Formats: sequence, structure tokens, C-alpha cells
Amino acid sequence: DSGVTQTPKHLITATGQRVTLRCSPRSGDLSVYWYQQSLDQGLQFLIHYYNGEERAKGNILERFSAQQFPDLHSELNLSSLELGDSALYFCASSRRTGEREKLFFGSGTQLSVL
Amino acid sequence: LAKTTQPISMDSYEGQEVNITCSHNNIATNDYITWYQQFPSQGPRFIIQGYKTKVTNEVASLFIPADRKSSTLSLPRVSLSDTAVYYCLVGFNTNAGKSTFGDGTTLTVKP
Repeated sequence: DSGVTQTPKHLITATGQRVTLRCSPRSGDLSVYWYQQSLDQGLQFLIHYYNGEERAKGNILERFSAQQFPDLHSELNLSSLELGDSALYFCASSRRTGEREKLFFGSGTQLSVL
Repeated sequence: LAKTTQPISMDSYEGQEVNITCSHNNIATNDYITWYQQFPSQGPRFIIQGYKTKVTNEVASLFIPADRKSSTLSLPRVSLSDTAVYYCLVGFNTNAGKSTFGDGTTLTVKP
């Protein structure tokens, strides 16, 4: 158990809909990362938050947004869903940033867009 | 992120030692080398991290030569449960745009 909690574990929805994925980081971790993993693209970095502030953006679509709340949990919002958004979405947290950073991943949310 | 090159896949048998080598010719002075393990449908799990020479923990050893242009993850006496994808990351730092995991090495352990 990494200590990172993601909910829900599975989500099935239809095209055009909007969903929210939730992540609770390990106790004491200030950084939260979101990754998308689909069968043909591996782990794609989406966005990084540190202590409530956005630190870096990766290949995140404009239809996607995220935030980190004062209690450090984070939510990833996916809207106008398309079939291609079906993937595993992982959240990871870490205590420090920089070269020695170690990420602790949650078990992921499997999103299926039908 | 320093570009890394790993074998796409490796096969081994139970009880053998497995060595997975990662090449990173353009590693920067401040870059650390970190390895993660990922089982199907699970998030990656941190295995080991090092800067130079040798690092050992209860799971694996990491060997880094003096020029640091490569590193080798060593898994002693693998079992079926070590079948997974292994990722080598060098210089992870999202602030510098370094956040890619790459394709990793799929290790298959056979009985």
C-alpha cells in the first residue's frame, strides 16, 4: 500500500460527459502528480501541483483540468469525454521536489468511455 | 529528462539473477537515477535510486559506473511475481519539464 488513495477505482461513462477523479496523497506529501496510461501510449504526464499551486503541465488537454485543495487532496476533471480518453489515470505524490524526488502512486482509476 | 534506452523486453527463469541495463549518455551532473516497477493495472512502485557506484536495498541493487552514462538494475533470484515492467528514470524534475517515464522493460519470469 503506497498510502495514496484514488477514487473511484472504476468509472464507466458516455461520450460527452464530465467526470471527476479524486486523489488523496500520502500524509505529509505536498506534491501531487497526475498521469494517464493507455495501452498504446504508456505513462503520460498530465499535471503537477505543489502545495496547492500548479507547478508544471504536460500533455494535458484543454478539456481536462485539475486542482489541489488546502487539505492537499487533488481532483482531475475530465469533460466532453471522447472514446480516446479511456485509460488508467494515476495519481502520485511525493514529499520533496527536485533531483531526488520519489513518486508514490495510487492504484489508479480505470475510465471507460462508451 | 536525460534520454534513456532500455531493452523492450527480457525473459528469465525463477531463481536467476536478472540485470536490466539503462543507457543515459546525456545525464547531467545533478541527475539521480531512479527505477520503478509496474505490475499490470497498478501504479508504478519505487524500487531504488542512486547517484554513483552501488546502492543496495532489500529488493534490488543498482550499479552505476564512474562515467554514469549507464546503470544496471539487478534483481537477485527472481520469482514469478517479479514479472512486471521496469522503468529507468534519469533526472526526474517536472519543474524542468523532465517527467517522462519512457517505455520501460517488460520482464517475464518463467517457471
